[in-house]
Amino acid sequence: DAGVIQSPRHEVTEMGQEVTLRCKPISGHDYLFWYRQTMMRGLELLIYFNNNVPIDDSGMPEDRFSAKMPNASFSTLKIQPSEPRDSAVYFCASRGQPQETQYFGPGTRLLVL
Amino acid sequence: AQSVSQHNHHVILSEAASLELGCNYSYGGTVNLFWYVQYPGQHLQLLLKYFSGDPLVKGIKGFEAEFIKSKFSFNLRKPSVQWSDTAEYFCAVSSSGTYKYIFGTGTRLKVLA
Repeated sequence: DAGVIQSPRHEVTEMGQEVTLRCKPISGHDYLFWYRQTMMRGLELLIYFNNNVPIDDSGMPEDRFSAKMPNASFSTLKIQPSEPRDSAVYFCASRGQPQETQYFGPGTRLLVL
Repeated sequence: AQSVSQHNHHVILSEAASLELGCNYSYGGTVNLFWYVQYPGQHLQLLLKYFSGDPLVKGIKGFEAEFIKSKFSFNLRKPSVQWSDTAEYFCAVSSSGTYKYIFGTGTRLKVLA
C-alpha cells in the first residue's frame, strides 16, 4: 500500500491567494483527518470525515478554511484568502475499521508570504 | 475536556543512555493510547499503541510503554538510545468509541553520538 498521499509537499504563496491542499487516504479507510502543526500550537485537529461526511469541524480556525471529501479516495483543504499566520505543516491522516490507529501522510509545508 | 501533558519538552541524551518520556492524560473513561515519532522533516509514524490487555506494550525500534491507569500515565521507555532516535515524540489519547486524538505538545529528543 502506498500509504496516505498528500500534494503538494511544499507550497509557497502570497498573502491573499487561494491555497488548495490535497489528500488521498489509504484505500479502504473510512475516516480522514486534517491536522495543522505549528511550533506555537503543536498538532491541532482541524476537521475529520467519516464515509466522506464531515463529522467535526470545530477545529477549523475560521471561515477562510474549508474542507471537502467528494469521494472515498480524495479530500481537499482550502484556504481562501491565505494569510501569513496560516504558515504551517498540514497533515492528512486516515484510519480504517476496526483498529483505531491513524496513519499520517508526509504533510504539506505551507509558507504564506 | 481531555488533555495530554508531556512535561519534558526537550531531552538531550548520550548514546546508550536510557530514555523515559512522560505522558499524562486527563480523562476518566476508557482510553486508547498512542506514541508517535516524527523524524526531522518527516511525517508522524506510529511507535506503539495500547487498547487493552497487558499494560506493558512493546513497539518498534526497541521502544516500550507502560500504561498505569491509577496514575493516568503512559510513559515511553527505551533502555539504550541511538543517535538515530533523534526525533520528536508525541503522545496521543483517544477515548474508546471516538475517533479524535488529543495530542501532547511533543518532546524533542536529541541523542549525542
